Amino acid sequence: ELVMTQSPATLSVSPGDRATLSCRASQSVPSNIAWYQQKPGQAPRLLIYATSTRATGIPARFSGSGSGTEFTLTISSLQSEDFAVYYCQQYNNWPPWYTFGQGTKLEIK
Amino acid sequence: QVQLQESGPGLVKPSQTLSLTCSVSGASITTGGFFWSWIRQPAGRGLEWIGRIHSSGNTNYNSSLKSRATISLDASKNQFSLKLSSVTAADTALYFCARVPVGGDTWATFEYWGRGTHITVSS
Repeated sequence: ELVMTQSPATLSVSPGDRATLSCRASQSVPSNIAWYQQKPGQAPRLLIYATSTRATGIPARFSGSGSGTEFTLTISSLQSEDFAVYYCQQYNNWPPWYTFGQGTKLEIK
Repeated sequence: QVQLQESGPGLVKPSQTLSLTCSVSGASITTGGFFWSWIRQPAGRGLEWIGRIHSSGNTNYNSSLKSRATISLDASKNQFSLKLSSVTAADTALYFCARVPVGGDTWATFEYWGRGTHITVSS
């Protein structure tokens, strides 16, 4: 079973600074990954798909990269509305299975 | 704009069957090209995929649920449903429904979500 491990569990960053979130797969990922942002009391929102493409309406300060087993979400200049929990997600084609990382909480330093 | 909205009982007794419904607007669940999924999130924890259904009726489930989950479509109401049998306290969570494209740029991503419905399993 493929496991997605996110690090760090909590990241404290000052507004205006850069944040780098990591997602590591237990084996090489057969397809692209996605990233989601979740704020308290809300559903997750799709940020990045196909590893590096921003979803509709997502600001350019969000970027995704990586391949194989190592993936990264970077937020170039943190705004107050960016403090939230971020999840990576991978899809296994057979058997069909969607796996989420355990999340990284991005908090204000 | 595609919108999804979950509904459920709020409280379920242990060993009973949990039934949830997801009402869809802005899209037809019988139109091919999408999977309709359920995901859950225990309080303070991460996301777990439960299962999905295609407009054809084909289903797939998370094997960790040990065949307790059943997802179905109701085309007349443009809804899909989840039944989870033999629930325990471990099934207490926020349950979301979501749409997943079969193909295209955003394939295999949860592009539209409902706001979630809280389910507590307790006697």
